[in-house]
Amino acid sequence: SQTIHQWPATLVQPVGSPLSLECTVEGTSNPNLYWYRQAAGRGLQLLFYSVGIGQISSEVPQNLSASRPQDRQFILSSKKLLLSDSGFYLCAWTRGQGVYEQYFGPGTRLTVT
Amino acid sequence: AQSVAQPEDQVNVAEGNPLTVKCTYSVSGNPYLFWYVQYPNRGLQFLLKYITGDNLVKGSYGFEAEFNKSQTSFHLKKPSALVSDSALYFCAVRDHSGTYKYIFGTGTRLKVLA
Repeated sequence: SQTIHQWPATLVQPVGSPLSLECTVEGTSNPNLYWYRQAAGRGLQLLFYSVGIGQISSEVPQNLSASRPQDRQFILSSKKLLLSDSGFYLCAWTRGQGVYEQYFGPGTRLTVT
Repeated sequence: AQSVAQPEDQVNVAEGNPLTVKCTYSVSGNPYLFWYVQYPNRGLQFLLKYITGDNLVKGSYGFEAEFNKSQTSFHLKKPSALVSDSALYFCAVRDHSGTYKYIFGTGTRLKVLA
C-alpha cells in the first residue's frame, strides 16, 4: 500500500531564516506531487505541483521554491522566511495518469516568529 | 475557469439526523468531483469521487454524494450523523485545462451536536 510522509511535524522559525520541508511517498512510482498551504484551518492554497523529476509548476509564492530531486521526493524551501509564511503545509500525491483522488500527508505546522 | 463553491461556512446538525453539505461547481466539459474530510491538525482524507456513471456515489464512513448536472451540484450526504463526523469538509474539482491541478472549495465546518 502507499504511504506519504512529511517532516517535520511542527516547526518554529524566526523571520529571515531558511526553510526546508520534505515529503516522500512510498509504494508507488511516477506520482504527481503537490504542495498546499492552509491558513487558519481553512481553504487550501496550491503552491507547487510536479508531474515528474525536475518538473515544477509554481502557482503563487514569491519567496518559496520547490524541488523534486527523486521520483517520490518533493521538497519545499525558502531562503528567507516571512511572517506571512506561517501556516499548515500539506503535501499530496495522485497517480500520474488519468483522474484520481489525492492522498495527503499529515502536514507540517510552521510558525514564523 | 473551473471553480467550486461551498456556500455554507458551518453546518450544525443533531446526532442521528441526516446531514447535507453543499457544493456547486463550474467547469468546462465533464466534471470530475471529489469530497475530502479534515480533522483538526491532520491532512485531508478522501471520501468519494464522481467521474462518470451513477449520479449517487457512495464513499467512506457512510457518506454519499449526489451529482446533479442540471443544478451543477455535488452535495455530500449522510442518513444519520455521528458526533465523530464533526470536521471540516472540502469539495474539489479536477482542472480541465490540461494541468493536473485540483481546485478546492473554501470548506464547510460540520458540527454534530449530541
